[in-house]
Amino acid sequence: EPEVTQTPSHQVTQMGQEVILRCVPISNHLYFYWYRQILGQKVEFLVSFYNNEISEKSEIFDDQFSVERPDGSNFTLKIRSTKLEDSAMYFCASKAGGGTEAFFGQGTRLTVV
Amino acid sequence: DAKTTQPPSMDCAEGRAANLPCNHSTISGNEYVYWYRQIHSQGPQYIIHGLKNNETNEMASLIITEDRKSSTLILPHATLRDTAVYYCIVRVAGDSNEKLTFGTGTRLTIIP
Repeated sequence: EPEVTQTPSHQVTQMGQEVILRCVPISNHLYFYWYRQILGQKVEFLVSFYNNEISEKSEIFDDQFSVERPDGSNFTLKIRSTKLEDSAMYFCASKAGGGTEAFFGQGTRLTVV
Repeated sequence: DAKTTQPPSMDCAEGRAANLPCNHSTISGNEYVYWYRQIHSQGPQYIIHGLKNNETNEMASLIITEDRKSSTLILPHATLRDTAVYYCIVRVAGDSNEKLTFGTGTRLTIIP
């Protein structure tokens, strides 16, 4: 069964450093998303991406965040200067189109120290 | 703001049917009811969705009341692997891009 793949599974970074979280969505999917979940809290929407541009972003997704689909298969989330409060599980999701369900990856646990 | 209300936790004996309720009294005519679950901080997993008719797939059944103000997710023969947080989400049908808005869900514990 096709799946969304995220790498790395766990990343530790120092405060102020840049990190790039990587995702390989399911191959025929057109809509891509990033969500995050701070330990013990809800899953929160960050950003949606379609047709090579951001279609919606939350208040969390400020200028420190960016997304890119560089090569037609990968979908990346970059945090330019990490803060302690960026520590969370980050989930990538993709879906084929209207009325279909979203498939989530297993997440990257980001720890900022 | 959450459009759904779910009990924070439930227990169910292994092998029995787990019935998870969800209230969505403000649901609009063009909104579907979706169910996802999250097993121990893994990525959320799609279970089932419906508009107004009852739905069944290999994982679960979804019963939606006639007025569509509430629904019940049924796991017919719960196993220990069904222990997870279950999320009931309403979202607009046909809006391809719409994000999922997760609430706090129901933490279902399957008891041996």
